[in-house]
Amino acid sequence: SYELTQPPSVSVSPGQTASITCSGDKLGDKYACWYQQKPGQSPILVIYQNNKRPSGIPERFSGSNSGNTATLTISGTQAMDEADYYCQAWDTRTVVFGGGTKLTVL
Amino acid sequence: QVQLQESGPGLVKPSQTLSLTCTVSGGSISGGGYYWSWIRQHPGKGLEWIGYIYSSGTTYCNPSLKSRVTISVDTSRNQFSLKLSSVTAADTAVFYCARADYDESSHYFDYWGQGTLVTVSS
Repeated sequence: SYELTQPPSVSVSPGQTASITCSGDKLGDKYACWYQQKPGQSPILVIYQNNKRPSGIPERFSGSNSGNTATLTISGTQAMDEADYYCQAWDTRTVVFGGGTKLTVL
Repeated sequence: QVQLQESGPGLVKPSQTLSLTCTVSGGSISGGGYYWSWIRQHPGKGLEWIGYIYSSGTTYCNPSLKSRVTISVDTSRNQFSLKLSSVTAADTAVFYCARADYDESSHYFDYWGQGTLVTVSS
C-alpha cells in the first residue's frame, strides 16, 4: 500500500519560514494536498492540487511537489500557525494521509 | 456554505456495530460532483481515511477496513451513513464526515464536520 512520510515535528521562530515535507514513492506524479488541524478542531484544507490555496487561506501558505517530496511552506510564520499539518494524496482509488507534523512556533 | 454534522451514539459495546450518520446542509448530495467521506482519528493520532460514497451509491473503502465497513447514502434526506462492524477498543476514535472534491487524480476534502467521539467500551 502507498505510504506518505512526514517529520513528527518542525520548529520555527515567528516571522521565519517553515517548511514541512511529505515523502512518498513518485509523489510528484500525483497531486498532494495539506490540512491544518488545531487542538480540538476539525482539519482545514490549506493547499490542494500541490499549490492551490482555497479561498480564505492566507498567501503565506504555499505548496510544491516534485520527485518524491511535497513541501508545505509557511512564509512569515505567525503564532496562530502553530498546529498539526497533514499531507494527503490519492493513489489507486485510495486516500492516503501522512502521519502528521506538529509545527511549533517559538 | 456547505455544512456537515455527524450524529450517532458516543458509546458502543465491543463486538457490536458502530453506526453514524452525516447530515449535509447548504448543498445537495444528489447533485453529484463530490464524494462523501468518513475519516477517523484515534486519540492523539493522525487521520485515517475510512471510505467514501458517490451519490450513485458507488463506494471506495480503505482496504484495511473494507471487510467491516458499510457506507450508504440517502439522497432524500441529504444524509450518508457509516456502519463499522465487530468493533473493539481499537476503534475508539473521533469520526469525521467530509466532502471530497475531485478532479482526475486529485481528491481533497474541502468541508469537514465537527467530528464525533465514539468510544468502544463495555
